[in-house]
Amino acid sequence: EIVLTQSPDTLSLSPGERATLSCRASQRVTSSYIAWYQQKPGQAPRLLISVASIRATGIPDRFSGSGSGTDFTLSISRLEPEDFAVYYCQHYGNAPYNFGQGTKLDIK
Amino acid sequence: EVQLLQSGGLLGRPGGSLRLSCAASGFTLNSYAMNWVRQAPGKGLEWVSSISGTGATTYYTDSVKGRFTISKDDSKNTLFLQMDGLRADDTALYYCVRNGYNHVAFDMWGQGTMVTVSS
Repeated sequence: EIVLTQSPDTLSLSPGERATLSCRASQRVTSSYIAWYQQKPGQAPRLLISVASIRATGIPDRFSGSGSGTDFTLSISRLEPEDFAVYYCQHYGNAPYNFGQGTKLDIK
Repeated sequence: EVQLLQSGGLLGRPGGSLRLSCAASGFTLNSYAMNWVRQAPGKGLEWVSSISGTGATTYYTDSVKGRFTISKDDSKNTLFLQMDGLRADDTALYYCVRNGYNHVAFDMWGQGTMVTVSS
């Protein structure tokens, strides 16, 4: 079973700044089956990134994913007001399809 | 319109049973793997269970094995989660979620069904 640890737990930034969120896996993730999701209060999560770096349909190009092996990163190049939310990484290669504990991105 | 419509909120007793349903529209369940993901109040996301497009393969997180059963009725294009032996820590918002094609992750989410387990 792969356990995902996200850091930091909370990230406080201002609009226009760059955000870097980390997701570390307890063992190597085959085929980079790591996804990233955004969740806003009262809403279902939304898929941002699949296979570590492929943006989902309709996701702005300020969102980018990278990484391989055990270390993965979600970057947001220039924060917009609507980007302040909770972000989760997930391993979805083989069950159990565990999620990280989440990183809350809030306005500084 | 492509969407997942879930049943309304449910109240169950400890040790009791509930069944969640999720109706798919705009696509056919037998073409996609499907999942249930839950979120306890104020907490993060927890994957619960998955079923393959054919229905032949199912998976469960350890805490629900032997208590929950995922299934689907392709003729009604509906996904189910039978929840038996309910516990207080099963209280959560349960999402019905579609697995995408071609290495795409969980690409479509229902609106969620609130399950409360309380005596």
